Amino acid sequence: DAGITQSPRHKVTETGTPVTLRCHQTENHRYMYWYRQDPGHGLRLIHYSYGVKDTDKGEVSDGYSVSRSKTEDFLLTLESATSSQTSVYFCAISEPSGLAGEETQYFGPGTRLLVL
Amino acid sequence: EDQVTQSPEALRLQEGESSSLNCSYTVSGLRGLFWYRQDPGKGPEFLFTLYSAGEEKEKERLKATLTKKESFLHITAPKPEDSATYLCAVPVGNQFYFGTGTSLTVIP
Repeated sequence: DAGITQSPRHKVTETGTPVTLRCHQTENHRYMYWYRQDPGHGLRLIHYSYGVKDTDKGEVSDGYSVSRSKTEDFLLTLESATSSQTSVYFCAISEPSGLAGEETQYFGPGTRLLVL
Repeated sequence: EDQVTQSPEALRLQEGESSSLNCSYTVSGLRGLFWYRQDPGKGPEFLFTLYSAGEEKEKERLKATLTKKESFLHITAPKPEDSATYLCAVPVGNQFYFGTGTSLTVIP
Protein backbone atom coordinates (compact mmCIF):
# COMPACT_ATOMS: atom_id res chain seq x y z
CA ASP A 1 0.00 0.00 0.00
CA ALA A 2 3.09 2.24 -0.36
CA GLY A 3 2.75 3.35 3.28
CA ILE A 4 -0.12 5.79 2.67
CA THR A 5 -2.76 6.55 5.26
CA GLN A 6 -5.68 8.95 5.02
CA SER A 7 -7.69 10.54 7.78
CA PRO A 8 -10.50 10.67 8.49
CA ARG A 9 -11.78 7.68 6.55
CA HIS A 10 -15.35 8.91 6.73
CA LYS A 11 -16.77 12.36 7.40
CA VAL A 12 -20.18 13.98 7.37
CA THR A 13 -20.29 17.76 7.40
CA GLU A 14 -22.63 20.62 6.66
CA THR A 15 -22.63 23.02 3.74
CA GLY A 16 -20.47 26.07 4.37
CA THR A 17 -18.11 24.51 6.90
CA PRO A 18 -14.39 24.11 6.25
CA VAL A 19 -13.05 20.56 6.05
CA THR A 20 -9.46 19.31 6.06
CA LEU A 21 -8.41 15.87 4.90
CA ARG A 22 -4.99 14.50 5.71
CA CYS A 23 -2.70 12.24 3.72
CA HIS A 24 0.34 10.78 5.44
CA GLN A 25 3.14 8.77 3.84
CA THR A 26 6.08 7.07 5.47
CA GLU A 27 8.48 6.51 2.57
CA ASN A 28 9.74 10.01 1.75
CA HIS A 29 8.09 10.26 -1.67
CA ARG A 30 8.51 13.61 -3.37
CA TYR A 31 5.27 13.66 -5.35
CA MET A 32 1.84 13.49 -3.70
CA TYR A 33 -1.60 13.89 -5.26
CA TRP A 34 -5.22 14.45 -4.28
CA TYR A 35 -8.00 12.99 -6.47
CA ARG A 36 -11.73 12.83 -6.19
CA GLN A 37 -13.74 9.93 -7.57
CA ASP A 38 -17.35 10.29 -8.67
CA PRO A 39 -19.64 7.98 -10.64
CA GLY A 40 -19.41 8.69 -14.35
CA HIS A 41 -16.29 10.83 -13.97
CA GLY A 42 -13.67 8.47 -12.72
CA LEU A 43 -10.66 9.78 -10.85
CA ARG A 44 -9.94 13.47 -11.34
CA LEU A 45 -6.89 15.31 -10.07
CA ILE A 46 -7.53 18.16 -7.64
CA HIS A 47 -4.01 19.29 -6.67
CA TYR A 48 -0.58 17.80 -6.50
CA SER A 49 2.71 18.52 -4.76
CA TYR A 50 6.25 18.06 -6.00
CA GLY A 51 7.96 18.94 -2.75
CA VAL A 52 7.59 20.76 0.55
CA LYS A 53 5.67 23.99 -0.09
CA ASP A 54 5.56 23.20 -3.84
CA THR A 55 2.06 22.57 -5.14
CA ASP A 56 0.11 22.96 -8.37
CA LYS A 57 -3.47 22.77 -9.54
CA GLY A 58 -5.10 19.84 -11.24
CA GLU A 59 -8.17 19.46 -13.39
CA VAL A 60 -10.80 20.24 -10.69
CA SER A 61 -9.11 22.58 -8.19
CA ASP A 62 -11.86 25.18 -7.67
CA GLY A 63 -13.04 25.25 -4.04
CA TYR A 64 -10.01 23.33 -2.79
CA SER A 65 -6.65 24.34 -1.35
CA VAL A 66 -3.67 22.25 -0.28
CA SER A 67 -0.64 22.57 1.92
CA ARG A 68 2.52 20.58 2.37
CA SER A 69 4.72 21.77 5.23
CA LYS A 70 6.44 18.39 5.72
CA THR A 71 7.43 15.72 3.21
CA GLU A 72 5.17 13.15 4.83
CA ASP A 73 1.94 15.14 5.05
CA PHE A 74 -0.27 16.58 2.30
CA LEU A 75 -3.44 18.34 3.45
CA LEU A 76 -6.53 19.02 1.36
CA THR A 77 -8.88 21.76 2.55
CA LEU A 78 -12.38 22.45 1.36
CA GLU A 79 -12.65 26.11 2.22
CA SER A 80 -16.45 26.15 2.41
CA ALA A 81 -17.90 22.73 1.70
CA THR A 82 -20.73 22.39 -0.83
CA SER A 83 -22.94 19.42 -1.67
CA SER A 84 -21.13 19.07 -5.02
CA GLN A 85 -17.99 18.19 -3.07
CA THR A 86 -19.60 15.04 -1.71
CA SER A 87 -17.24 12.43 -3.07
CA VAL A 88 -14.57 9.87 -2.30
CA TYR A 89 -11.15 11.48 -1.99
CA PHE A 90 -7.96 9.56 -2.68
CA CYS A 91 -4.41 10.49 -1.96
CA ALA A 92 -1.62 9.06 -4.09
CA ILE A 93 2.15 9.07 -4.25
CA SER A 94 4.34 8.30 -7.22
CA GLU A 95 7.53 6.30 -7.54
CA PRO A 96 9.94 6.03 -10.46
CA SER A 97 9.22 2.77 -12.22
CA GLY A 98 10.67 2.78 -15.73
CA LEU A 99 14.10 2.93 -17.26
CA ALA A 100 13.45 6.52 -18.32
CA GLY A 101 12.23 7.52 -14.87
CA GLU A 102 8.52 7.19 -15.54
CA GLU A 103 6.44 7.35 -12.40
CA THR A 104 3.81 4.88 -11.14
CA GLN A 105 1.11 6.15 -8.82
CA TYR A 106 0.03 4.26 -5.70
CA PHE A 107 -3.13 5.11 -3.84
CA GLY A 108 -4.28 5.39 -0.26
CA PRO A 109 -7.51 3.83 1.06
CA GLY A 110 -9.69 6.91 0.49
CA THR A 111 -11.89 9.25 2.51
CA ARG A 112 -15.66 9.25 2.02
CA LEU A 113 -17.02 12.77 2.47
CA LEU A 114 -20.71 13.61 2.65
CA VAL A 115 -21.70 17.28 2.62
CA LEU A 116 -25.29 17.84 3.77
CA GLU B 1 -11.48 16.39 -24.84
CA ASP B 2 -11.33 12.82 -23.57
CA GLN B 3 -7.84 11.52 -23.07
CA VAL B 4 -8.86 8.02 -22.02
CA THR B 5 -12.02 6.03 -22.80
CA GLN B 6 -12.84 2.60 -21.41
CA SER B 7 -15.35 0.06 -22.66
CA PRO B 8 -17.57 -1.61 -21.83
CA GLU B 9 -18.78 0.24 -18.71
CA ALA B 10 -19.87 -3.03 -17.16
CA LEU B 11 -19.27 -6.68 -17.98
CA ARG B 12 -20.81 -9.80 -16.50
CA LEU B 13 -19.05 -13.09 -17.16
CA GLN B 14 -19.64 -16.65 -16.10
CA GLU B 15 -16.75 -18.19 -14.23
CA GLY B 16 -14.31 -19.49 -16.84
CA GLU B 17 -15.66 -17.30 -19.65
CA SER B 18 -12.72 -15.32 -21.07
CA SER B 19 -13.11 -11.75 -22.34
CA SER B 20 -11.30 -8.46 -22.92
CA LEU B 21 -11.61 -4.92 -21.61
CA ASN B 22 -10.65 -1.97 -23.80
CA CYS B 23 -8.86 1.29 -23.03
CA SER B 24 -8.42 3.75 -25.90
CA TYR B 25 -6.36 6.91 -25.57
CA THR B 26 -5.76 10.06 -27.59
CA VAL B 27 -2.54 11.44 -26.11
CA SER B 28 0.52 11.81 -28.28
CA GLY B 29 3.96 10.86 -27.11
CA LEU B 30 2.70 8.15 -24.78
CA ARG B 31 4.86 7.82 -21.67
CA GLY B 32 3.15 4.73 -20.37
CA LEU B 33 -0.31 3.26 -20.00
CA PHE B 34 -1.25 2.07 -16.53
CA TRP B 35 -3.83 -0.51 -15.44
CA TYR B 36 -5.32 -0.60 -11.94
CA ARG B 37 -7.81 -2.80 -10.14
CA GLN B 38 -10.22 -1.24 -7.65
CA ASP B 39 -12.32 -3.20 -5.17
CA PRO B 40 -15.40 -1.59 -3.60
CA GLY B 41 -14.50 0.80 -0.80
CA LYS B 42 -10.76 0.65 -1.52
CA GLY B 43 -8.16 2.63 -3.39
CA PRO B 44 -6.96 1.58 -6.85
CA GLU B 45 -4.30 -1.13 -6.83
CA PHE B 46 -1.56 -0.99 -9.45
CA LEU B 47 -1.45 -3.91 -11.91
CA PHE B 48 0.68 -3.12 -14.99
CA THR B 49 2.49 -0.46 -16.93
CA LEU B 50 2.95 -0.74 -20.70
CA TYR B 51 5.38 1.59 -22.45
CA SER B 52 5.42 0.76 -26.15
CA ALA B 53 3.19 -0.71 -28.85
CA GLY B 54 3.46 -4.47 -28.98
CA GLU B 55 4.36 -4.82 -25.33
CA GLU B 56 2.51 -7.43 -23.25
CA LYS B 57 2.48 -8.12 -19.51
CA GLU B 58 0.84 -10.94 -17.58
CA LYS B 59 -0.23 -11.53 -14.01
CA GLU B 60 -2.15 -14.67 -13.13
CA ARG B 61 -5.31 -14.65 -15.32
CA LEU B 62 -4.70 -11.11 -16.62
CA LYS B 63 -2.76 -10.09 -19.70
CA ALA B 64 -2.39 -6.50 -20.83
CA THR B 65 -1.46 -5.52 -24.38
CA LEU B 66 -0.78 -2.17 -26.04
CA THR B 67 -1.17 -0.78 -29.56
CA LYS B 68 -0.63 2.77 -30.78
CA LYS B 69 -4.24 3.72 -30.02
CA GLU B 70 -5.50 1.35 -27.34
CA SER B 71 -4.78 -1.21 -24.69
CA PHE B 72 -6.60 -4.42 -23.89
CA LEU B 73 -6.85 -6.24 -20.61
CA HIS B 74 -7.53 -9.88 -21.40
CA ILE B 75 -9.02 -12.00 -18.64
CA THR B 76 -8.60 -15.75 -19.15
CA ALA B 77 -10.87 -18.20 -17.32
CA PRO B 78 -11.92 -15.61 -14.73
CA LYS B 79 -12.86 -16.48 -11.18
CA PRO B 80 -15.32 -14.67 -8.88
CA GLU B 81 -12.40 -13.07 -7.06
CA ASP B 82 -11.53 -11.21 -10.27
CA SER B 83 -14.71 -9.16 -9.82
CA ALA B 84 -13.67 -5.52 -9.48
CA THR B 85 -13.51 -2.28 -11.41
CA TYR B 86 -10.54 -2.04 -13.75
CA LEU B 87 -9.14 1.40 -14.50
CA CYS B 88 -6.61 2.57 -17.04
CA ALA B 89 -4.65 5.81 -16.95
CA VAL B 90 -2.14 7.77 -19.02
CA PRO B 91 0.28 10.48 -17.86
CA VAL B 92 0.10 13.88 -19.52
CA GLY B 93 2.69 16.28 -18.18
CA ASN B 94 2.69 15.91 -14.40
CA GLN B 95 -0.87 14.60 -14.31
CA PHE B 96 -2.49 11.20 -14.77
CA TYR B 97 -5.76 10.99 -16.69
CA PHE B 98 -7.98 8.07 -15.78
CA GLY B 99 -10.75 6.36 -17.67
CA THR B 100 -14.08 5.83 -15.95
CA GLY B 101 -13.43 2.12 -15.58
CA THR B 102 -15.01 -1.21 -16.44
CA SER B 103 -16.96 -2.91 -13.68
CA LEU B 104 -16.39 -6.64 -14.00
CA THR B 105 -18.64 -9.17 -12.30
CA VAL B 106 -17.73 -12.86 -12.51
CA ILE B 107 -20.63 -15.15 -11.65
CA PRO B 108 -19.86 -18.55 -10.09
